[in-house]
Amino acid sequence: QVQLQESGPGLVKPSETLSLTCTVSGSSVRNGNCYWSWIRQPPGKGLEWIGFISYSGSTKYNPSLKSRVTISMDTSKNQFSLKLSSVTATDTAVYYCAKVRVGLTAPIDDWGQGTLVAVSS
Amino acid sequence: DIQMTQSPSSLSASVGDRVTITCRASQSITNYLNWYQQKPGKAPNLLIYAASILQSGVPSRFSGSGSGTDFTLTISSLQAEDFASYYCQQTYGTPPYTFGQGTKLEIK
Repeated sequence: QVQLQESGPGLVKPSETLSLTCTVSGSSVRNGNCYWSWIRQPPGKGLEWIGFISYSGSTKYNPSLKSRVTISMDTSKNQFSLKLSSVTATDTAVYYCAKVRVGLTAPIDDWGQGTLVAVSS
Repeated sequence: DIQMTQSPSSLSASVGDRVTITCRASQSITNYLNWYQQKPGKAPNLLIYAASILQSGVPSRFSGSGSGTDFTLTISSLQAEDFASYYCQQTYGTPPYTFGQGTKLEIK
């Protein structure tokens, strides 16, 4: 089973950039059977799809966040990353990195444990 | 964006009950529908994909059905460990791949 682990600051100031990294073990980020995704969940609320990066480096983002979000990959470290700029309090959430299975209905079949990021001065 | 609406938002049931959760899409998504279970403080867990295919390792009391715009998740006989929140997700066409708002299943 693939394991994913999020890392990064738990507190970010308003207007700054949120940066998180996901370290993957048990698979390569260059695995052609996977996409690598970020999902978030504000406290007490539902899930929001942020975007994903493919094994080739192509990306898809949620249009509601597209102007602020970047997902990238570091194949040498077997990691992928999320950057969200110009954050506000509404970006406070648990952020999950996850593996998407390519094919059929692209289900998310492995998740990190999640990391809470609070936006506050 | 395709909107996903789950009903009910919350549900109280007893161990042994048969439970059905509904997910409706704002347009046809054929069978591009996945279901997840989430327990408090934990990441979601894939239950069903392609509307009706049971993920490996998931108990057979879980089943999914539907196509087009209307989908259901059924738990045939509730167990204590099934009390959790459930989310549907559509993955049809162009992103975003939106989730339903969730259904919280509580013990009666």
